[in-house]
Amino acid sequence: NAGVTQTPKFRVLKTGQSMTLLCAQDMNHEYMYWYRQDPGMGLRLIHYSVGEGTTAKGEVPDGYNVSRLKKQNFLLGLESAAPSQTSVYFCASSTLAEGIFFEQFFGPGTRLTVL
Amino acid sequence: AQSVAQPEDQVNVAEGNPLTVKCTYSVSGNPYLFWYVQYPNRGLQFLLKYITGDNLVKGSYGFEAEFNKSQTSFHLKKPSALVSDSALYFCAVRDGYSTLTFGKGTMLLVSP
Repeated sequence: NAGVTQTPKFRVLKTGQSMTLLCAQDMNHEYMYWYRQDPGMGLRLIHYSVGEGTTAKGEVPDGYNVSRLKKQNFLLGLESAAPSQTSVYFCASSTLAEGIFFEQFFGPGTRLTVL
Repeated sequence: AQSVAQPEDQVNVAEGNPLTVKCTYSVSGNPYLFWYVQYPNRGLQFLLKYITGDNLVKGSYGFEAEFNKSQTSFHLKKPSALVSDSALYFCAVRDGYSTLTFGKGTMLLVSP
């Protein structure tokens, strides 16, 4: 099993450009998440999904959109990139069984620089 | 909303000595608490979790954590530190039904 994979690993954008980050998981997890990690800020939740076709806002959703058309994929879009979106982006997935909330599994991250 | 605090930005310890990385939490109801580790240029890896039961939770790589309800703490511990334990450690709490809130992280540096 590959677990959680993210594409691309690195990207440099100019202000105003758009891009999509792809997250894929092969664990049949219901829940998927997008975080950003900035120095001294920890991980902050951008958007998440509790199932195929559903999405919800997290702590810092502005400037981002997401889609979950297939259970195994969770896309994060930046319509008009800004320098403040320079960050490392992590995708994660998890499941819930018998009322027990299981740990999240993380991808390797995407390092995005917006010039 | 639930929250966690990691009061130390960095912890320094000599190899072979015991280590503690501190975490305190604020929740309404029963807490679900987690510890993750992040090595340089890598994603987060799960170490251990507390859901219910024994206050001493054992996890991966020889780590353990002690849940203390009266002090609202969930400190990460290891009896004997290794240089390879040097990494960024995050405490997290379940927030809502299916999300986690993370602390800001504590850098652990183990010197030879």
